[in-house]
Amino acid sequence: GAVVSQHPSWVICKSGTSVKIECRSLDFQATTMFWYRQFPKQSLMLMATSNEGSKATYEQGVEKDKFLINHASLTLSTLTVTSAHPEDSSFYICSVWVAGFYNEQFFGPGTRLTVL
Amino acid sequence: DAKTTQPTSMDCAEGRAANLPCNHSTISGNEYVYWYRQIHSQGPQYIIHGLKNNETNEMASLIITEDRKSSTLILPHATLRDTAVYYCIVSTLNTNAGKSTFGDGTTLTVKP
Repeated sequence: GAVVSQHPSWVICKSGTSVKIECRSLDFQATTMFWYRQFPKQSLMLMATSNEGSKATYEQGVEKDKFLINHASLTLSTLTVTSAHPEDSSFYICSVWVAGFYNEQFFGPGTRLTVL
Repeated sequence: DAKTTQPTSMDCAEGRAANLPCNHSTISGNEYVYWYRQIHSQGPQYIIHGLKNNETNEMASLIITEDRKSSTLILPHATLRDTAVYYCIVSTLNTNAGKSTFGDGTTLTVKP
């Protein structure tokens, strides 16, 4: 199946700094990738849809200027948390939907962000 | 996407079958039932999906009722490694299929 990687797997940063998280689709070209956020003991919440070559679409309540998404190639999407604050501490997960033979969603291993 | 309801938690003895129910009473005709699981601090993992027929793969079986309003995921011989949160999702197969709405899922604890 498709392999989706994320980097870094965990990051600790100071409040006010920006953090970039990479999501790579290793086996499939992905015109669309999805970013989720998961707070402790809660379910996954979709943040945004990353579209290759165009602007990302954000879910209601997600600040697009705070969570910058760039999808510059068919295998890489990046999520930048700008001016991070402790309330942004969370588990960020990306995914790729693979149609056809698989018709399933492949998730990355997640990135644990802790903002001090 | 239609919403699903699942029990909050379940226990299962190691080696026994684990049967995880899911209600999706508002499912549309073109929506599939998907099951994913998430082991602690990892990304979710696909298990199985189906439209209306029962499905089986190397991981599990999926039983969908005839009216498609509910389904059951069966792990035939649960192991300790199957301890995880199991999510039942309904979704179409279009390009927005990745915009999955995750409910709270069922926390399955497999005990020795």
